[in-house]
Amino acid sequence: DVKVTQSSRYLVKRTGEKVFLECVQDMDHENMFWYRQDPGLGLRLIYFSYDVKMKEKGDIPEGYSVSREKKERFSLILESASTNQTSMYLCASRLMHSSGANVLTFGAGSRLTVL
Amino acid sequence: GENVEQHPSTLSVQEGDSAVIKCTYSDSASNYFPWYKQELGKRPQLIIDIRSNVGEKKDQRIAVTLNKTAKHFSLHITETQPEDSAVYFCAALNSGGYQKVTFGTGTKLQVIP
Repeated sequence: DVKVTQSSRYLVKRTGEKVFLECVQDMDHENMFWYRQDPGLGLRLIYFSYDVKMKEKGDIPEGYSVSREKKERFSLILESASTNQTSMYLCASRLMHSSGANVLTFGAGSRLTVL
Repeated sequence: GENVEQHPSTLSVQEGDSAVIKCTYSDSASNYFPWYKQELGKRPQLIIDIRSNVGEKKDQRIAVTLNKTAKHFSLHITETQPEDSAVYFCAALNSGGYQKVTFGTGTKLQVIP
């Protein structure tokens, strides 16, 4: 089974702090994603990366940046955390089958609270 | 870009009844439509998917239907059981390229024993 591991399950940070959320996958997938999950808003895409050093903005990139220096690792960075970034953050890795199926495997999530 | 709308946001059914969740999409280039289930405190997991060259797909008690003309697709769960209680997300994308995956806002299904 593909494993997508998020380094921190729960984090509490203060406004203005720099926050790093780390995600590692072990199946050599090219594509990786960062979503945030909020009640009533579903899964909203922050950034995605389809290869090493490649990144694309998702639907809500403001206030975030990402880093993909190695294929297995995709980091989400909050340069200056704000209270409206309190959320559950989900990392995902994608396997693209030759059949056309796109299977996202999610990590367990990182619940960030910004005080 | 793709926009996916999902209804209803919450759904309560009696155990044994059927549940239907509906999604619409905007991009006619989308050709792959997965459904994910997220149980409380757990990560979303793929439960079924359908490609645009197929109108319906079934897997035991779950089925998905697709109407490309109307740009809508639905998840059907028959003979619901308490373990079906979860949040369900639909998504739509073009599987041909390295496209972002756009999800609907989710449906919280509660199956009442």
